[in-house]
Parts: sequence; structure tokens; C-alpha cells
Amino acid sequence: SQQGEEDPQALSIQEGENATMNCSYKTSINNLQWYRQNSGRGLVHLILIRSNEREKHSGRLRVTLDTSKKSSSLLITASRAADTASYFCASGGTSYGKLTFGQGTILTVHP
Amino acid sequence: NAGVTQTPKFQVLKTGQSMTLQCAQDMNHNSMYWYRQDPGMGLRLIYYSASEGTTDKGEVPNGYNVSRLNKREFSLRLESAAPSQTSVYFCASSEDREQGPQYFGPGTRLLVL
Repeated sequence: SQQGEEDPQALSIQEGENATMNCSYKTSINNLQWYRQNSGRGLVHLILIRSNEREKHSGRLRVTLDTSKKSSSLLITASRAADTASYFCASGGTSYGKLTFGQGTILTVHP
Repeated sequence: NAGVTQTPKFQVLKTGQSMTLQCAQDMNHNSMYWYRQDPGMGLRLIYYSASEGTTDKGEVPNGYNVSRLNKREFSLRLESAAPSQTSVYFCASSEDREQGPQYFGPGTRLLVL
């Protein structure tokens, strides 16, 4: 079964607005990763946050991790139409090499 | 540097037919993975290979076999395709054992009639 659950399932915003996506997981993790998938394409890694980190930034992306609540959030600031894609969280647990993916959030940014 | 490549891009099979999906990476990564993606299900791990010569089952291995041919190549075989195997298949690779970023291929769309 899928460990990660993402919320919301779909998000529609205007260009320039911020987009926040949330992810919950069930078991202990080593890290939490976020990926983007454009329609018909493979996944692209965005950012990784380790279990001993609480916040991480990369360009317009900000990720937070709350291990006590087993949750993470991805914030995209000043969104652009090109940010339109599906976003997936993936938790890296204690079993080697295995990432468990959430079901994804479909983000639509209107110009 | 092509990253992760997959062939074919699209395939139609009849129930009971067999086929092999090919994957290759040119990043000298040790670990490789096969996932399937179905609507509303996210990605589910089929098999993975921690290093050349080793393979392990993932979440949904039934109906599939894999071969880690060498460090670059990791193939997925469907011996007797079923309609339930209609999906998009992604191959991925990663550098090390510590669950670092995975790099994905463009995917193979498989339709089993």
C-alpha cells in the first residue's frame, strides 16, 4: 500500500500566487523527496530533505519536514505557468533503496 | 550524456504475449529500479537492483522478471502479459545506497488487450 498521501489532489492557482502541497507518511524515514512530473514525461527530482532537517530551500522551492507529525510540505513561491505539473512526495525509509511515492498533487497555474 | 533511456516508448500487446522493456543509464549509477504508474495510484516499485548482479522484489513483482545485465542495463520482462499490466513503466537509477535522488527515464506506455 502507498505510504505517502498528498493533499490536495489538485490545486489551481493564478500565476504569481504561492502553491502549497502537503504530504503525510506512516513509518520512520531517512529522508523525504519531492519530484515533479510534466504530462507524459518521467519524474524529475526537485529537492531532498533528511530526517534531521526541518526546512530546506532551493530557488523558489521551500520544503518543511515535521517528523513528529510524519508530514512534509512543498511551497512553490511566485508560481509560473511552467510550474504546471504533478508533484509527488517520496519517502525513503529504512529499507535500502526503496522510495515510497504518494499519489501526487496536480498543480495547474493559469497565466 | 543521455541519462536514463527506455525502449520502446509505446507498445501494444495481446493477452499472453511476452515482451522485454529495456532500460539503460550512462551515469555510472549502482542502483536501478522499475516502477509502474497507474492513474490515482502514484508509482509502485516492481523490482530494484542495488548493484550489478543483484535484484530484489518491490511492492508489485508478480507477473514480472528482471535482469541486471551489467551496470548500465536493467531489463523488465513480462512473460505472459495480462490486461492488468496495462500501465506506464518507468525505469530509474540512483547513485548510492542512501536513498538519494532517483533519475527517471521517459517511460514506456504499455497497452495489453
